[in-house]
Amino acid sequence: DQQVKQNSPSLSVQEGRISILNCDYTNSMFDYFLWYKKYPAEGPTFLISISSIKDKNEDGRFTVFLNKSAKHLSLHIVPSQPGDSAVYFCAASIFGNEKLTFGTGTRLTIIP
Amino acid sequence: DSGVTQTPKHLITATGQRVTLRCSPRSGDLSVYWYQQSLDQGLQFLIHYYNGEERAKGNILERFSAQQFPDLHSELNLSSLELGDSALYFCASSVEQGYNSPLHFGNGTRLTVT
Repeated sequence: DQQVKQNSPSLSVQEGRISILNCDYTNSMFDYFLWYKKYPAEGPTFLISISSIKDKNEDGRFTVFLNKSAKHLSLHIVPSQPGDSAVYFCAASIFGNEKLTFGTGTRLTIIP
Repeated sequence: DSGVTQTPKHLITATGQRVTLRCSPRSGDLSVYWYQQSLDQGLQFLIHYYNGEERAKGNILERFSAQQFPDLHSELNLSSLELGDSALYFCASSVEQGYNSPLHFGNGTRLTVT
């Protein structure tokens, strides 16, 4: 049962434009969401997070939006840069539960 | 560099064998997590240790076991290996328990079972 879904395995965006990565979840108990970025031959790196009490969190070029009613979150990258080319994982957790549930990832390619 | 060290980077072994994967967390981190990533899959949570004690178990097979030592490094033991155990195994550490403290991942150990 895939509780966190990233339905787009890949996404290509031109440099300078906005990249939007999407994530859906099915478990309404999830209350904390994170995005990780992964380069080849490296481990995932924490990017940004959002608590369910918020609907938006911003950190520089990265903004995460949470729509609890739709059980949907998205990561916006503006402007996109070549160094943003990586696999992006969405993850979710329930407060007090140690398990972090990951999606299958979206490979983002920024076209120069 | 996340500060989390995993050894070895690559491991090739035969079915039925036993291997040990090692993880050294970031300095000061008390929590260690193990994840498995099979081909085209997300990261699957295996087990969590905090300051030497097991805190949570995920979908970890009975053939797999782990421990965290007094110096806080951790080992993941995989026995009676099957072809389906071929995967990337990641270790992650954090200062505290729970996910308000983001995880810092090592670069993983790629296990190939032939």
